[in-house]
Amino acid sequence: GENVEQHPSTLSVQEGDSAVIKCTYSDSASNYFPWYKQELGKRPQLIIDIRSNVGEKKDQRIAVTLNKTAKHFSLHITETQPEDSAVYFCALYTGGFKTIFGAGTRLFVKA
Amino acid sequence: SAVISQKPSRDICQRGTSLTIQCQVDSQVTMMFWYRQQPGQSLTLIATANQGSEATYESGFVIDKFPISRPNLTFSTLTVSNMSPEDSSIYLCSVRPGGGEDTQYFGPGTRLTVL
Repeated sequence: GENVEQHPSTLSVQEGDSAVIKCTYSDSASNYFPWYKQELGKRPQLIIDIRSNVGEKKDQRIAVTLNKTAKHFSLHITETQPEDSAVYFCALYTGGFKTIFGAGTRLFVKA
Repeated sequence: SAVISQKPSRDICQRGTSLTIQCQVDSQVTMMFWYRQQPGQSLTLIATANQGSEATYESGFVIDKFPISRPNLTFSTLTVSNMSPEDSSIYLCSVRPGGGEDTQYFGPGTRLTVL
C-alpha cells in the first residue's frame, strides 16, 4: 500500500536557525500534501499544505516544497522559536480518501 | 472549519470491559475517521465511519473489537471491546468536512488506560 517516509525522526536546532523535514512517497497519484504540528498533549493541527500543481507555498516562517518527479516534499521553518518545539507529521491523501501519515519528527528548539 | 468534541477525555478501565467513545462535530461533515496514537508514535487509522452503513476497517482492526456507529453526519462512536492493557492509547476522532475543503481536523482525543 501507499507509504510515506519521514526524516529525521528527531531534530534539534538553536533558536533562530532553520529546520528542514523531508518526506518521500511512492504513489504518483497523491495530489494533496498537508503538514501537521502536534504539541505535547494536544491534538494534531494543520499548519500548511500544498497541492500537486504547485511547487512551493509559504506562510510567514514556514514553507513547503514539493517535487513530484522525485516524489518528495519538505517542510522548512525559518527563524525557529522555542514555541516551534513539537512533533511534526507529513501526510498525503490517497485516492481512496484516506490520509497516510509519516512517522513524525520531534523538533527541539533550544533557546 | 469543524469543531470536534470527544467524550470522555480520559478513562481508566479494567481488562475485559468495554468503553464507548463519543465524537460530536459542530457541523455536518462528509468523512469521519477514528485513529489510535500510541505514546511517541504516529497516527494509525482504525477505520472510516460511514453514515448509515458499516465502517470500513484497516488491516489489523476488526469490527468485533472496535465496533463503530455513525447515525448521522455529525456524530460517531467507537467502542473498544474486551479491553487488554495493549489497548491503552489515545483514540482520536477526525473529520474531513468535504464540500471542496481538504483540511482534516482532529478531536482532542481520549486517553485510555487499561489495567
